[in-house]
Amino acid sequence: ETGVTQTPRHLVMGMTNKKSLKCEQHLGHNAMYWYKQSAKKPLELMFVYNFKEQTENNSVPSRFSPECPNSSHLFLHLHTLQPEDSALYLCASSPTGGGRASDTQYFGPGTRLTVL
Amino acid sequence: GQNIDQPTEMTATEGAIVQINCTYQTSGFNGLFWYQQHAGEAPTFLSYNVLDGLEEKGRFSSFLSRSKGYSYLLLKELQMKDSASYLCAATDSNYQLIWGAGTKLIIKP
Repeated sequence: ETGVTQTPRHLVMGMTNKKSLKCEQHLGHNAMYWYKQSAKKPLELMFVYNFKEQTENNSVPSRFSPECPNSSHLFLHLHTLQPEDSALYLCASSPTGGGRASDTQYFGPGTRLTVL
Repeated sequence: GQNIDQPTEMTATEGAIVQINCTYQTSGFNGLFWYQQHAGEAPTFLSYNVLDGLEEKGRFSSFLSRSKGYSYLLLKELQMKDSASYLCAATDSNYQLIWGAGTKLIIKP
């Protein structure tokens, strides 16, 4: 496999469910990101991990819980979500995780999440 | 505050040329990215500019004016497969990416 993969591609859950999104990158990168993409809005950065350490948490509600067991894998654990959390959740990776202006991010295809 | 502005939607004809503009206001500036995103797919990297001027990559070119806080993406010889959203993102002084909402480009035969 190459690039950045995400599973599942689609997820429908109730507000009381607990689910997890998975991201895996096969690029040898050191940084991984979670973004939320809502229709006609800019990408919202949620979390950043650099060498497995969380370096950014942009005021994300605690019902979203990230986990980064190693530089290749990233999870987003979801619980007691709200309907307004319905969106496309994108994972990305980059070589150095910031500190370099040209650090290009490579994205996975996303998980389309619907909260009922 | 930090802000990126780009048109919401544009329409162009197959074979023609289209220019997608992006203006940015950031705390410091360390370069600007353009990404392409087809519906239901991942954003993919198109270009990165940090110096003023035009960078050409095949049918796609990207321009930057740092003094004006302005960039554009130029697409030539449009093909139907170019129908996608084009995302502009500027890097601020902390190397954080500030994203625009994207421009949806519709190509008509």
